[in-house]
Amino acid sequence: EAGVVQSPRYKIIEKKQPVAFWCNPISGHNTLYWYLQNLGQGPELLIRYENEEAVDDSQLPKDRFSAERLKGVDSTLKIQPAELGDSAVYLCASSLDRSEAFFGQGTRLTVV
Amino acid sequence: GDSVTQMEGPVTLSEEAFLTINCTYTATGYPSLFWYVQYPGEGLQLLLKATKADDKGSNKGFEATYRKETTSFHLEKGSVQVSDSAVYFCALRTQGGKLIFGQGTELSVKP
Repeated sequence: EAGVVQSPRYKIIEKKQPVAFWCNPISGHNTLYWYLQNLGQGPELLIRYENEEAVDDSQLPKDRFSAERLKGVDSTLKIQPAELGDSAVYLCASSLDRSEAFFGQGTRLTVV
Repeated sequence: GDSVTQMEGPVTLSEEAFLTINCTYTATGYPSLFWYVQYPGEGLQLLLKATKADDKGSNKGFEATYRKETTSFHLEKGSVQVSDSAVYFCALRTQGGKLIFGQGTELSVKP
């Protein structure tokens, strides 16, 4: 069974440019998470979906970040415009209901 | 609010030494508890879990017991190997479904 797939693995962009990350969860998993992980720190939740509904987006900086999960399957996280401080690893995870979450390998974003 | 606190790293041990990484939590109700491991350049992998008080999770020689009276979920291994070198994250899932992580503890095992 395929795990959580994220793309791209690495992205380098100039500040003020837009960027998008894509996540395909494990088949059948209805809950999807986006986390941000800064170097040397634990993952911090950005947004959690149950099916296509965003049930927790309180930590998502909505002035520049947006996310969608069409049809309750794969998801896209977008930043526009990117700032230097957005450089981090963006992690996607999925779970079946409230069982354990499985993580993708992450997208490492560098803003220059 | 709900939170997880882990002992600070890095933790440096010799091969075959005993490992303890402390984790305490704050949460209302009855959270589920997890330990995840992150090897260099890789994503987080679930190591073990416990869903109710006094449950013991175990995997690959690692163990942790859900202690509600002390709000703790300490990770232990009797004899570490060089291949155990990684960053370990304690996490809790609230009854509302929120998954919260600690700051991580880096483990380095020397031959």
